[in-house]
Amino acid sequence: GAVVSQHPSRVICKSGTSVKIECRSLDFQATTMFWYRQFPKKSLMLMATSNEGSKATYEQGVEKDKFLINHASLTLSTLTVTSAHPEDSSFYICSAFKIAKGQAFFGQGTRLTVV
Amino acid sequence: QKEVEQDPGPLSVPEGAIVSLNCTYSNSAFQYFMWYRQYSRKGPELLMYTYSSGNKEDGRFTAQVDKSSKYISLFIRDSQPSDSATYLCAMSADNYGQNFVFGPGTRLSVLP
Repeated sequence: GAVVSQHPSRVICKSGTSVKIECRSLDFQATTMFWYRQFPKKSLMLMATSNEGSKATYEQGVEKDKFLINHASLTLSTLTVTSAHPEDSSFYICSAFKIAKGQAFFGQGTRLTVV
Repeated sequence: QKEVEQDPGPLSVPEGAIVSLNCTYSNSAFQYFMWYRQYSRKGPELLMYTYSSGNKEDGRFTAQVDKSSKYISLFIRDSQPSDSATYLCAMSADNYGQNFVFGPGTRLSVLP
């Protein structure tokens, strides 16, 4: 079964509104989670590294004020797309690293459509 | 030169065929190599995980790593229509989940 749960799987929102995406590790604690963005037929692009109890680390070119990340507990990280625009429409995927397995597990992804 | 290169396909094969998927990379620091399978509109799921050079087999899947050539492969034997998906290679220099670099993915279709 899934070890990382991402919700919602699909969301449509109006331009200018904000959308929150949740990423949960189900049977392990994840001090670090990762948020990716994937464009059609393109690879995953790391947006930011979410650290429990501290600020997220953003990749170059990713606006931290637009993509707010909160990692308030060892099993939950959230990504909020603020003041969404149509160009923010994409597939967003989170992952969490399970130290015991030495492997990263991915959520199911969230298809965001901004209209 | 991109850090990780992968033939995007699409690759179409008949059911039962042996499939070979490949990635090349430029960073000699990479030591951890992964293959993920991604079905349409789903998150990637880990298929194979290898450390350093060598082969690893799991059922119908075999992963090969040749660090001297900076080349990794995933072989699928007796391919099934359910194997139709996009296959992403990923690699990293460390094992802390950070600094994964993904290939663009190869879209595979296995025809019944």
